[in-house]
Amino acid sequence: EADIYQTPRYLVIGTGKKITLECSQTMGHDKMYWYQQDPGMELHLIHYSYGVNSTEKGDLSSESTVSRIRTEHFPLTLESARPSHTSQYLCASRAPGANNYGYTFGSGTRLTVV
Amino acid sequence: KNEVEQSPQNLTAQEGEFITINCSYSVGISALHWLQQHPGGGIVSLFMLSSGKKKHGRLIATINIQEKHSSLHITASHPRDSAVYICAVRGAPGANSKLTFGKGITLSVRP
Repeated sequence: EADIYQTPRYLVIGTGKKITLECSQTMGHDKMYWYQQDPGMELHLIHYSYGVNSTEKGDLSSESTVSRIRTEHFPLTLESARPSHTSQYLCASRAPGANNYGYTFGSGTRLTVV
Repeated sequence: KNEVEQSPQNLTAQEGEFITINCSYSVGISALHWLQQHPGGGIVSLFMLSSGKKKHGRLIATINIQEKHSSLHITASHPRDSAVYICAVRGAPGANSKLTFGKGITLSVRP
């Protein structure tokens, strides 16, 4: 059973709409990440957070914004969706410490902007 | 050129075959991850390696730090192993914990 939850799983939305993709984890992880993945391509980091009130932009330029008001919640918002935002968005988290196993990923949100 | 290269790009195998998927990287790392992505998009973390070899069930992962190379082996492959296998590396100690990903290998195991 997943310990990190993303909603919605699929979303089709019109150009210009504001959308928020939800990501929540129940493991108390401090580090959380948003990745964007186009079909057949590698994941690219768009935002990350190392704890409450900490957010940073990733390697891939994105018009989205994130917030981290609570440890367990890391939502991603697009103020005005465009067809170029069509992609899969994956949320992940990681526990602190050098010996942790790795990353836990959500099931992803597949976004289509028409 | 991507910092993480995976080969082969696509792989088809017959059920029961031994499968090897390779990953090469060009930067110093603190850890290498093998991930599995099924149709529908969800990702499962299989292994995290910083040296040597790890085994979990029918899966074996090895890493050679000097050669900047890792392999993922699947013994007695099964159709349920069909998925995309992604290699990702985390920067050298002192760098941040961000991952750099390969494009993944699409594996199809035929019954």
